[in-house]
Amino acid sequence: QLQLQESGPGLVKPSETLSLTCSVSGGSISSGSFYWGWIRQSPGQALEWIGHFSYNGNTYYSPSLRSRLTISVDRSMNQVSMSLTSVTAADTAVYYCVRGSGSGVAYWGQGTLVTVSS
Amino acid sequence: QSVLTQPPSTSGSPGQSVTMSCSGSSSNIEINYVYWYQQFTGTAPKLLIYRNDQRPSGVPDRFSGSKSGTSASLTIRGLRSEDEADYYCSAWDDNLGGQWLFGGGTKLTVL
Repeated sequence: QLQLQESGPGLVKPSETLSLTCSVSGGSISSGSFYWGWIRQSPGQALEWIGHFSYNGNTYYSPSLRSRLTISVDRSMNQVSMSLTSVTAADTAVYYCVRGSGSGVAYWGQGTLVTVSS
Repeated sequence: QSVLTQPPSTSGSPGQSVTMSCSGSSSNIEINYVYWYQQFTGTAPKLLIYRNDQRPSGVPDRFSGSKSGTSASLTIRGLRSEDEADYYCSAWDDNLGGQWLFGGGTKLTVL
């Protein structure tokens, strides 16, 4: 069974960089027609797509985050990572690592809460 | 502000049917598939409907999805108390290089 596990600091200071890693087990990020990415949810708010790395080698970013965001994959470690620079309190959210396809986002990590505060 | 518009709340009694809507535009729902997710408080969302009206394995047939033009809807028949959750629609949008959009979510209360 595929499992996704997010890891990273739970607290980040304003203006600093938020970095998260998703470790994938039970399947390879190099196989299949899937995309691997991130979705976040601010407290009490709706889901917000951040971006993803596609099986075709393309990376897609939310237009609102594109200037601050980098998503990368480490095939040797079977990990997906994201880096968001110059964070503010508005970036406080639960961040989910996900695997999706044309059949939807069927796999979600448990989510990790990141708080931006000094 | 979400580009996909959902009513913030809806309710129904056990056994009844409820339908919740998701309104989009010509760059998303009209030309791409719609997906629906169910989320219970404090947990990760779960895929409920994919490609407008398809149910993943394990999702009861009480849940159904449809799409027409720039709108989509999710119907739950035979409401149960355990259906009380937040429901999100999602669709790919072809603008600005492409992006996934989510609706603002509909909170379902089972009375």
